[in-house]
Amino acid sequence: NAGVTQTPKFQVLKTGQSMTLQCAQDMNHNSMYWYRQDPGMGLRLIYYSASEGTTDKGEVPNGYNVSRLNKREFSLRLESAAPSQTSVYFCASSEGNREDTFGSGTRLTVV
Amino acid sequence: AQSVSQHNHHVILSEAASLELGCNYSYGGTVNLFWYVQYPGQHLQLLLKYFSGDPLVKGIKGFEAEFIKSKFSFNLRKPSVQWSDTAEYFCAVSPYSGAGSYQLTFGKGTKLSVIP
Repeated sequence: NAGVTQTPKFQVLKTGQSMTLQCAQDMNHNSMYWYRQDPGMGLRLIYYSASEGTTDKGEVPNGYNVSRLNKREFSLRLESAAPSQTSVYFCASSEGNREDTFGSGTRLTVV
Repeated sequence: AQSVSQHNHHVILSEAASLELGCNYSYGGTVNLFWYVQYPGQHLQLLLKYFSGDPLVKGIKGFEAEFIKSKFSFNLRKPSVQWSDTAEYFCAVSPYSGAGSYQLTFGKGTKLSVIP
């Protein structure tokens, strides 16, 4: 089925470890986004990519980096994980003046 | 920068009761407005959206929302809720632009619990 695919679905990291969250979309969307969801905070934008080859910071970029590998893929990297990065991470994509389509999320726990 | 305020953190209703969830935004220009729903353990799904035209928009599963520009509001309504509507509801806004990406700013969400 067409949509946004995120991997992994669950991950436990130790403080200081690094990891990359993967996201791919097959809808030929230009724009892609990474959000984090925390209880009582809604979704907050970490980074976004308006088009292939561009990335920009969102509301909460500290501690993260991103790569727009090609039009389909947009990865999120945690270089040195901290407990404050325990969250559920959602990738999304959109095209033009349309709504975001979300992936199923990655539940990350940093201990 | 824009912001979104959802008035209710948690709403508890009995089945067949009517629902209205409040959403206000702050932004000086033209906006696109959305309501998303997140069922337990799932990702966000679009309920409805407003871009332009008729300010009363209808979405899936019997939901509707009314955009009142003068009040900067986009409240979500449903005449009769069902147990299956138990979920978290998020209002979101993005500034309108002719081109480019459309960053969504989300409210903090309203949890709806429907009691059978």
